[in-house]
Amino acid sequence: AQSVTQPDIHITVSEGASLELRCNYSYGATPYLFWYVQSPGQGLQLLLKYFSGDTLVQGIKGFEAEFKRSQSSFNLRKPSVHWSDAAEYFCAVGESAGTASKLTFGTGTRLQVTL
Amino acid sequence: GAVVSQHPSWVICKSGTSVKIECRSLDFQATTMFWYRQFPKQSLMLMATSNEGSKATYEQGVEKDKFLINHASLTLSTLTVTSAHPEDSSFYICSARDDSGRADTQYFGPGTRLTVL
Repeated sequence: AQSVTQPDIHITVSEGASLELRCNYSYGATPYLFWYVQSPGQGLQLLLKYFSGDTLVQGIKGFEAEFKRSQSSFNLRKPSVHWSDAAEYFCAVGESAGTASKLTFGTGTRLQVTL
Repeated sequence: GAVVSQHPSWVICKSGTSVKIECRSLDFQATTMFWYRQFPKQSLMLMATSNEGSKATYEQGVEKDKFLINHASLTLSTLTVTSAHPEDSSFYICSARDDSGRADTQYFGPGTRLTVL
């Protein structure tokens, strides 16, 4: 069975600082990986996804993630965090290439941004 | 972009009553919708896959008679928590797959917080 681990429950960074959120997955086949952001009162929004090809994936809002098969990781990064990035971030693995497939989510990482 | 709404956004009910949660795709048709449950500080757990015009597919461990799913139209799926008890208190989130867009397009609703007293 597939699983996702997000080791950091809560992270605090200063505005303008760089950010890295960790995600490790367990999946028997080729993983299809996603990062979502959840803001209060809003639905989960897809930041980026990896299916195949270039292991460095660019997403919306200046986010990127790197797939490392040897480490079973798909960490999310942003060079300079903005106060509006404060939210809950979820890593997920899907059964197929589409986000419309069944997803298994990690427990999430809450990002707090200090001014 | 495509929007998915949920109603109500929060509900409080007495133990033993039933609660219905609606999930609507506002500007697209969705043959397939998903229902998730999220506990505090835990991940979203897929409960079931809702298919328009057919029975829902439930994940292992989810009680079909407890969580009734109806997907009667291409824009509406409902989740009814029957005979609710305090342990059913949770945050319920739906998502919808856009039929007209790319196959990998899934949009999430804002969630419904259920509190059972």
